[in-house]
Amino acid sequence: QKEVEQNSGPLSVPEGAIASLNCTYSDRGSQSFFWYRQYSGKSPELIMSIYSNGDKEDGRFTAQLNKASQYVSLLIRDSQPSDSATYLCAVRPPGGATNKLIFGTGTLLAVQP
Amino acid sequence: GAVVSQHPSRVICKSGTSVKIECRSLDFQATTMFWYRQFPKKSLMLMATSNEGSKATYEQGVEKDKFLINHASLTLSTLTVTSAHPEDSSFYICSARVTLAGGYNEQFFGPGTRLTVL
Repeated sequence: QKEVEQNSGPLSVPEGAIASLNCTYSDRGSQSFFWYRQYSGKSPELIMSIYSNGDKEDGRFTAQLNKASQYVSLLIRDSQPSDSATYLCAVRPPGGATNKLIFGTGTLLAVQP
Repeated sequence: GAVVSQHPSRVICKSGTSVKIECRSLDFQATTMFWYRQFPKKSLMLMATSNEGSKATYEQGVEKDKFLINHASLTLSTLTVTSAHPEDSSFYICSARVTLAGGYNEQFFGPGTRLTVL
């Protein structure tokens, strides 16, 4: 079982719709969770971080965390063509001095005009 | 804040030569930086963790003698690809760890360096 799993997609949504991106992780003790957006040919950009159960909203983005289910999601409201990118879920497992992140393989989102 | 730069953005070199890539934290001090590699349409692969003032920690399967990492200051880490070969052609990306109020850590990425070895 992969440590961080995402559906590779592509996830295709029409402009203005809600895009829902999902991620599951295997290490139950993980405490920190992140969503990065990566445009083709560019480096990842941090868009959301979440540390406690529940929802965290930032503009059109909402991150949702359910530690009991080991599940984290990202909702994008009013999707725009400019949101088309690969979205990477990252998890920081417990312990260790390096604080490295474990990344999923990413979900490709395509917002259709 | 939390801006990370990389230089160069693109480099083309001949097989057998060495290439140095710089990663700088511009507006904060980074005791820990990370080096990743990404092949086209593939996921990020962590190569090593760079700690200021100490030796880098390499991931399994990454040759430390081929990918030399130096983190001599709190704002600069360098990755040197030694004796580069065409299979080393890839997108190399660094990130830096930022510690926020409350003790939370976040990672911010540099823009990446695209290496092509002929």
